[in-house]
Amino acid sequence: NAGVMQNPRHLVRRRGQEARLRCSPMKGHSHVYWYRQLPEEGLKFMVYLQKENIIDESGMPKERFSAEFPKEGPSILRIQQVVRGDSAAYFCASSPPRQQETQYFGPGTRLLVL
Amino acid sequence: GESVGLHLPTLSVQEGDNSIINCAYSNSASDYFIWYKQESGKGPQFIIDIRSNMDKRQGQRVTVLLNKTVKHLSLQIAATQPGDSAVYFCAENSGNNNDMRFGAGTRLTVKP
Repeated sequence: NAGVMQNPRHLVRRRGQEARLRCSPMKGHSHVYWYRQLPEEGLKFMVYLQKENIIDESGMPKERFSAEFPKEGPSILRIQQVVRGDSAAYFCASSPPRQQETQYFGPGTRLLVL
Repeated sequence: GESVGLHLPTLSVQEGDNSIINCAYSNSASDYFIWYKQESGKGPQFIIDIRSNMDKRQGQRVTVLLNKTVKHLSLQIAATQPGDSAVYFCAENSGNNNDMRFGAGTRLTVKP
């Protein structure tokens, strides 16, 4: 049973470019969460999605950041016009329908903005 | 505002000793807590969880204690091994759409 998959594992972008981070939840999981982690810090909640719905985006920056979880395919975290401050590790987690509190994390995507 | 924090940023123990990692939380409405282990370059790994209606829960070599009176959570690791070296995070469920709030983490180093 494959765990949460994230790709790419490492992403390098120049300022002003777009970054697309993908997350495939564990099989049978219908809830996806995105977190950001800066070096030597804890994870900061960004957004919580179910299929085709954003449930809670209170942790998302108001501009340049968006997330989706389509009916088919992985969840996408999109960062437009990246700036150096966006450099971080972005982790996706998923949880099953009847145990939503227990989240299982992917390996993360490490974004570096030059 | 509400926050989850840890008392100690680093902890160094001798192999074979027991480790205790502490966590303070401030949201009295939180009713579910998880301890995660994060090794370098990897995502957080679920270790053990506890609900607010419990004071103690045991797993394999790990025990979580919850003191709701002082809003304190601890993770005890018995017979610590080199493979236990990692950063440990406590996380609380704030009750708001199930998103977890994480503390800054404690780095555990196990000396051989």
